[in-house]
Amino acid sequence: AQSVTQPDIHITVSEGASLELRCNYSYGATPYLFWYVQSPGQGLQLLLKYFSGDTLVQGIKGFEAEFKRSQSSFNLRKPSVHWSDAAEYFCAAHMEYGNKLVFGAGTILRVKS
Amino acid sequence: ETGVTQTPRHLVMGMTNKKSLKCEQHLGHNAMYWYKQSAKKPLELMFVYNFKEQTENNSVPSRFSPECPNSSHLFLHLHTLQPEDSALYLCASSQDPDREAGELFFGEGSRLTVL
Repeated sequence: AQSVTQPDIHITVSEGASLELRCNYSYGATPYLFWYVQSPGQGLQLLLKYFSGDTLVQGIKGFEAEFKRSQSSFNLRKPSVHWSDAAEYFCAAHMEYGNKLVFGAGTILRVKS
Repeated sequence: ETGVTQTPRHLVMGMTNKKSLKCEQHLGHNAMYWYKQSAKKPLELMFVYNFKEQTENNSVPSRFSPECPNSSHLFLHLHTLQPEDSALYLCASSQDPDREAGELFFGEGSRLTVL
């Protein structure tokens, strides 16, 4: 079955430290991949997406993600975390045409000062 | 207004009540979605509408009844709900539900509590 796994439920980092959130997918072929962010009391906002081509994609708010086919991963990174980055982050995937978007369970990011 | 707007933001209802959630998108998109977000569970797709036609019903109980009168408006009618239906209900839209099913624009959600 198609699935998206985010192994970390919670992550805490210090403000200014680097961040990496993990995402693994299980699909028969390479799906389209996405990262969304949800701040408390808000809906989800798309951070970045990967369809094909360059495996390092840049997104909004200084985030980037790297697609690694050999590891079936699409990890989200940020070089220096700000307190405003505290939120829940969701990885998601779908196949081209007609398939619904599958979300991971989410990773809650806490930022300590 | 811009984006995707959901009303009400909070709703408390008894199990015998009938209420509705409303979603409006101002993005000119063709597809609209209802998602359910419960604590400690992944987001669950409930319904998809493409050009006002329902194209996905993800085995949702009949106590949830969607309505899409046009491409800009989406409703979720609720009746005889159960306490386990308490959740955040998120509306989303996209330009193309097939090619761009992953590029969703979400509203802020309607927090539903069923007593």
